[in-house]
Amino acid sequence: NAGVTQTPKFQVLKTGQSMTLQCAQDMNHNSMYWYRQDPGMGLRLIYYSASEGTTDKGEVPNGYNVSRLNKREFSLRLESAAPSQTSVYFCASSVTVATNEKLFFGSGTQLSVL
Amino acid sequence: AQSVTQPDIHITVSEGASLELRCNYSYGATPYLFWYVQSPGQGLQLLLKYFSGDTLVQGIKGFEAEFKRSQSSFNLRKPSVHWSDAAEYFCAVGDYSGGGADGLTFGKGTHLIIQP
Repeated sequence: NAGVTQTPKFQVLKTGQSMTLQCAQDMNHNSMYWYRQDPGMGLRLIYYSASEGTTDKGEVPNGYNVSRLNKREFSLRLESAAPSQTSVYFCASSVTVATNEKLFFGSGTQLSVL
Repeated sequence: AQSVTQPDIHITVSEGASLELRCNYSYGATPYLFWYVQSPGQGLQLLLKYFSGDTLVQGIKGFEAEFKRSQSSFNLRKPSVHWSDAAEYFCAVGDYSGGGADGLTFGKGTHLIIQP
């Protein structure tokens, strides 16, 4: 069972470059999320998609865009990367967006912006 | 808005010893409560959750947690730790806003080190 798959696992960017992080889930979940994890900060929600065709901002959306391509896929785009976006990024999914739902996480993308 | 505090950034425990990881929350009502574990290089995995009912909940991998309303706590316990339990542990609190994922708040994590 693949679960939630993220690509790439590692990426190094120069300031100002753009890139897209890909995420796909095969559990037929309605809701998908992007989090960033920084040392001593825990996980912070960037964007989420409650269902196909909808996206909403989370706690730290500035500098990011998202696309819910279909029910399976939810991508995160950095248009002009900044050093402050150096972080580990996690995609997650759940059956619904309700706060009591179990989240299933991908294994993360470690991004460094120089 | 709710908040979550994990007072211990690092905890070191000897293999075979008991474990308790602390979690305190701030919320006006009884929240949804979760513990997630993150093994090195991996995403988070749900250990257990509490919504209502019995205040002692059992999870996977031999973990349990107890909800104490009077102390606003949801501490994670395990009677005897194994070297494979070395990981980062996150407590999370969900509110009743109905607005979705932005109602879920994670603590900053506790790094568990297991000594042989």
